[in-house]
Amino acid sequence: AQKVTQAQTEISVVEKEDVTLDCVYETRDTTYYLFWYKQPPSGELVFLIRRNSFDEQNEISGRYSWNFQKSTSSFNFTITASQVVDSAVYFCALSEDSGAGSYQLTFGKGTKLSVIP
Amino acid sequence: DTGVSQDPRHKITKRGQNVTFRCDPISEHNRLYWYRQTLGQGPEFLTYFQNEAQLEKSRLLSDRFSAERPKGSFSTLEIQRTEQGDSAMYLCASRGLPGDGYTFGSGTRLTVV
Repeated sequence: AQKVTQAQTEISVVEKEDVTLDCVYETRDTTYYLFWYKQPPSGELVFLIRRNSFDEQNEISGRYSWNFQKSTSSFNFTITASQVVDSAVYFCALSEDSGAGSYQLTFGKGTKLSVIP
Repeated sequence: DTGVSQDPRHKITKRGQNVTFRCDPISEHNRLYWYRQTLGQGPEFLTYFQNEAQLEKSRLLSDRFSAERPKGSFSTLEIQRTEQGDSAMYLCASRGLPGDGYTFGSGTRLTVV
């Protein structure tokens, strides 16, 4: 069974602080994909990153960085120098073959990030 | 192509009525998904199409729910005899190959009164 845990329900930071959003996943498969999505108040899910299970390289994109550690089944997301526009709900998601080839996404419950000016 | 389109954006209906939502995926994406998101939760998988074939359905998809994707292009999700518990955001997503990023639409917010 797939499971994604985002233990932090809500986080508040002051603008320009760094913040890390945690994600822990469970899977029995060796091939899987991990995602992060941002959901601003408008409601649309915005794709941030995809990582496959064979690629443990950390990634940096501007102020965003991701730390993937298979040994601890974690895929954490760090925002450096946070800005008010980063305020949103962030979802971590896992995708693996369900048997029918869907590679459906299993989402965590999300972490609501509030960046205070 | 401007992405995944969903219509309507909002729907208010009385309990017991039927409702239908439409999703237009990215044209070159042959895989299409429906998800449901309730307040404070992450989206939950409902069903999956590859081209016109519905290949997987979640246990969440009760008999009152039906989805179609005629001709492998747009998809519709119908809920019959709506209940208050059906109130949620219904999201559509499409993608090309396994492991590709999923592109989500803006969703249809259903309120059953």
